Amino acid sequence: GAGVSQSPSNKVTEKGKDVELRCDPISGHTALYWYRQSLGQGLEFLIYFQGNSAPDKSGLPSDRFSAERTGGSVSTLTIQRTQQEDSAVYLCASSSGQPTSQPQHFGDGTRLSIL
Amino acid sequence: AQKITQTQPGMFVQEKEAVTLDCTYDTSDQSYGLFWYKQPSSGEMIFLIYQGSYDEQNATEGRYSLNFQKARKSANLVISASQLGDSAMYFCAMSGALNDYKLSFGAGTTVTVRA
Repeated sequence: GAGVSQSPSNKVTEKGKDVELRCDPISGHTALYWYRQSLGQGLEFLIYFQGNSAPDKSGLPSDRFSAERTGGSVSTLTIQRTQQEDSAVYLCASSSGQPTSQPQHFGDGTRLSIL
Repeated sequence: AQKITQTQPGMFVQEKEAVTLDCTYDTSDQSYGLFWYKQPSSGEMIFLIYQGSYDEQNATEGRYSLNFQKARKSANLVISASQLGDSAMYFCAMSGALNDYKLSFGAGTTVTVRA
């Protein structure tokens, strides 16, 4: 498809397990973002990749969270030793060009539930 | 730091009427972008409209228009001729150099369109 693709769409796991969330951005988009949305809340920035530059990790809530982007395309967000407070919808977005003027296009998100 | 404020947690509007969603922002950036997104109950984030800080004309996209008042730091969204499918959460967001081009989101406004 032409949009941002995220997988899985839903993930239920036990506390303490590791999870990997995948994002496939729109082809040609150089910028990729991860956000987290807790129930009924706005979006919380996690991490930002722009081209080959070092990622902006300033939003990652703890060292249990990490992300990588391979070949400037697909990104994986990893959460180690999951906690119940990690339960949220994780949204990925991509954009092209100058981020001030170009809209970010979002995937449908991964709904993560920690038991 | 950038801050987005949406003071209306929820609104009801009659079908075919117009509705205005308030958004104020705070930034010391000279160049920034303002965005509105729609999030239906299905969860996807849909880009609606963009306004650049140097744009002199208010942005319009179909039934959506953005009432940009730079001196008052407000960027209200107007939805004309409301439809039942407009029922959703609406987020105002901002991007600028001071926030390293990450999107800062407001808390959102839930719009319910009544038949």
